[in-house]
Amino acid sequence: KAGVTQTPRYLIKTRGQQVTLSCSPISGHRSVSWYQQTPGQGLQFLFEYFSETQRNKGNFPGRFSGRQFSNSRSEMNVSTLELGDSALYLCASSLGLPNPRINTEAFFGQGTRLTVV
Amino acid sequence: AQSVTQLGSHVSVSEGALVLLRCNYSSSVPPYLFWYVQYPNQGLQLLLKYTSAATLVKGINGFEAEFKKSETSFHLTKPSAHMSDAAEYFCAVSRNEKLTFGTGTRLTIIP
Repeated sequence: KAGVTQTPRYLIKTRGQQVTLSCSPISGHRSVSWYQQTPGQGLQFLFEYFSETQRNKGNFPGRFSGRQFSNSRSEMNVSTLELGDSALYLCASSLGLPNPRINTEAFFGQGTRLTVV
Repeated sequence: AQSVTQLGSHVSVSEGALVLLRCNYSSSVPPYLFWYVQYPNQGLQLLLKYTSAATLVKGINGFEAEFKKSETSFHLTKPSAHMSDAAEYFCAVSRNEKLTFGTGTRLTIIP
């Protein structure tokens, strides 16, 4: 069974540009979450999607957005990039249930390393 | 709000010695607790999870963790450290499919 696939693995962008990151979850998984990892702030939750709907959102500015497609694949977009957006962006896939209070195991991809110059 | 605290940002142990990584949680309801490991330039790999079925949880690579409600702890242990255990370890609590992570503990193994 294939794991969580994130593309690209590495990305270099210039301040002010926008970027789109992609995540393909494990087959059959319906929930996709995104996390940002930086040395200063650690691992922080961005948002979670289930059946194409955003169910939960972290405390990030509106420049950070995402979406999920009918095949559960997800994309994350960051507009007007800032130097502080340089980070490892991790996607997590889980089985997901309609009741989000029943938590299911999250499996992570290898991440996309974004560098903003 | 749920949170976890990991005591010790760096832990060093000798090869073959006991590994003990500490995690305390804060939760008003029975928590879903996890330990993840991260190797350099990699994503997170699930080591084990607590979901109230049993207080002693066995995971992969010989790791285990014990849930102690009275101490609000979920410490990770391994009886005998191996060089391949060198990595960063994260404790996390989950609510509504959102993971809240501790700050991580970097484990170094001394040959």
